[in-house]
Amino acid sequence: SYELTQPPSVSVSPGQTARITCSGDALPKKYVYWYQQKSGQAPVLVIYDDSQRPSGIPERISGSSSGTMATLTISGAQVEDEADYYCYSTDNFGNRAFGGGTKLTVL
Amino acid sequence: EVQLLESGGGLVQPGGSLRLSCVASGFNFNDYHMNWVRQAPGKGLEWVSAISGSGYGTYSADSVKGRFTISRDNSKNTLYLQMNTLRGEDTAVYYCAKEVGPGKSGFDSWGQGTLVTVSS
Repeated sequence: SYELTQPPSVSVSPGQTARITCSGDALPKKYVYWYQQKSGQAPVLVIYDDSQRPSGIPERISGSSSGTMATLTISGAQVEDEADYYCYSTDNFGNRAFGGGTKLTVL
Repeated sequence: EVQLLESGGGLVQPGGSLRLSCVASGFNFNDYHMNWVRQAPGKGLEWVSAISGSGYGTYSADSVKGRFTISRDNSKNTLYLQMNTLRGEDTAVYYCAKEVGPGKSGFDSWGQGTLVTVSS
C-alpha cells in the first residue's frame, strides 16, 4: 500500500495564508490532486496535476509540488474556505491513496 | 454537465452482500476510468476500487480485495460495486467518482454518495 501524510489541522485568521502539506515517496514522479470537502457534502476537486485549477475554483487556491512534498496554498483565506482538505496520488506500482485529511479552520 | 447518481446502499448484516450502482450522464462513459471511494463516519476518504473504460482492467484496495468486485455496463452508462462478506468496518458512505482523463488517476466528478451500514 501507499501512504500520503498530511497534518491533521491547520488554523489561520481571515486574510492570512494557509498552507497544507502532503508528503509521499512517489510524489517526485506522480501528480497530486487536492480535494475540498465541506461538512455533509461530497468532495470537490480544487487542484489537479499538482498545480492546475479547475474552472470555478478561486485564484486564491493554488498548488505546488517539489520533491516528496506537495503544498496546497490558500492566499487570503476566507471563512468559506473552512473545510477538510485531502491530497490524492498514486505510487509507481499503481497503488492509490488519499492523505489522512487536514481540517482547515479560519477564525 | 457530468452527473453521477449512486444507489443501492442500506442496512445489511455482517457477512451479507450488497450491490451498489452508479448511473452516469453528461460525458462519454466508456472513455473514462471509474472509481469507488468510501468514507466511514467521521473519518477520511479511502479509495476502494477502479475500473478501466473497457472494463477489462480492475484494481482494488487490499482492504476489500477478494470481497468486493467492481464492474461496469457501458451500454447502460452504469458502474457497479458488488460487496460480499461485509464487515462492520465497511460501514461508510460510498462515492462513485470519474477520473480526470487518460493517464490521470485523480477524480474530477463525484456523486453524492450512498450510505452502507453493516450491523446486526
